[in-house]
Amino acid sequence: DVKVTQSSRYLVKRTGEKVFLECVQDMDHENMFWYRQDPGLGLRLIYFSYDVKMKEKGDIPEGYSVSREKKERFSLILESASTNQTSMYLCASSSPTLLSNQPQHFGDGTRLSIL
Amino acid sequence: AQTVTQSQPEMSVQEAETVTLSCTYDTSESDYYLFWYKQPPSRQMILVIRQEAYKQQNATENRFSVNFQKAAKSFSLKISDSQLGDAAMYFCACTSSNTGKLIFGQGTTLQVKP
Repeated sequence: DVKVTQSSRYLVKRTGEKVFLECVQDMDHENMFWYRQDPGLGLRLIYFSYDVKMKEKGDIPEGYSVSREKKERFSLILESASTNQTSMYLCASSSPTLLSNQPQHFGDGTRLSIL
Repeated sequence: AQTVTQSQPEMSVQEAETVTLSCTYDTSESDYYLFWYKQPPSRQMILVIRQEAYKQQNATENRFSVNFQKAAKSFSLKISDSQLGDAAMYFCACTSSNTGKLIFGQGTTLQVKP
């Protein structure tokens, strides 16, 4: 089975801090994604990556950046955390063709609170 | 732009009965895929069922089936013989073969009553 591991289930940070959310997948997937999940809004795509060192903006990239130095790892970075970034963050991966109908596999999520 | 709408924030069903969750979508793409994902209280999202838009036959996975109405842009999920373990939030999602991005609906929380 595919395993997508997010480094923290719960995280509390302060406004202005630089925050790193880490995601690792063990199935050699090319594609990786970061979403945020908010009540009533579903999941919204922040950034995604088709390959190492490649990244594409999703629908809500403002205030975020990403890093993909290795195929299995995709990091989400909040450059200067703000309270409106308090949310559930979900990482996902999929294989291998971007244009395929292959499902995305999700991690358990990180509940991030910015105080 | 693609949009996905789930108009039922919450639904409930009696154990062993059948429930249908609604989903409508809008896309200008000719080639796309539709998915239902389940997110149990433990929060890991898992795939329930998927449908290729070019296929007329409705997808079925055990107790889960879809009613895909392409002209109406409707993609509902039917859960038969509901079980307590079906209690979760369900998300409808759409992706296009052009972008590969997944667009999610707002989610429907399903409660299963014993």
